Amino acid sequence: QVQLVQSGAEVKKPGASVKVSCKASGYIFTTYYMHWVRQAPGHGPEWMGIINPGEGSTSYAQKFQGRVTMTRDTSTNTFYMELSSLRSQDTAVYYCARRGSENAFDYWGQGTLVTVSS
Amino acid sequence: DIQMTQSPSSLSASVGDRVTMTCRASQSISIYLNWYQQKPGKAPNLLISATSSLQSGVPSRFSGSGSGTDFTLTISSLQPEDFATYYCQHSYSAPWTFGQGTKVEIK
Repeated sequence: QVQLVQSGAEVKKPGASVKVSCKASGYIFTTYYMHWVRQAPGHGPEWMGIINPGEGSTSYAQKFQGRVTMTRDTSTNTFYMELSSLRSQDTAVYYCARRGSENAFDYWGQGTLVTVSS
Repeated sequence: DIQMTQSPSSLSASVGDRVTMTCRASQSISIYLNWYQQKPGKAPNLLISATSSLQSGVPSRFSGSGSGTDFTLTISSLQPEDFATYYCQHSYSAPWTFGQGTKVEIK
């Protein structure tokens, strides 16, 4: 069965960086793109970007250009999302979500709470 | 960017009620519209893709319709486990945006 298991909660100070991991299992790693989505408290989900696990190519939402880096490690079937220059508005739950058929997000990780506070 | 607007933002209903909620896109997205259910503290769960394709394991009381800019999610007979927040999301082109959600509460 498909599983996406994310790393644990993080607390960061403003200006720092955070790196969240997402370990995939139950399917062929290189055959499905992976999205990253975040959800601030009380808000709807917000798409951050997507990575092609085969080539490693990425596409980021304009809002995060220059601050986000998405990578993958094919030896461990793990995806990573790093966000830099953190500010309080970046406090949110961050999810990895697999791009399924018809471009829907068919499987999600359990989420990683990132809290930015001085 | 394509904006997604959901209405209502919340609704109160009783078990057994028929519930309908809508999602409007700021431009035509053909049928590239997906619906998710989210319960507190959990990740969103895909219910319907491409406007009307029910995901495996999703009860048949859920259905979706629409095309172009206007879409609808219907729950034919609301069950206790359906009280949650529902989000629409387009998959027409990047950036893939979500609506702000419709919260279904117990009357």
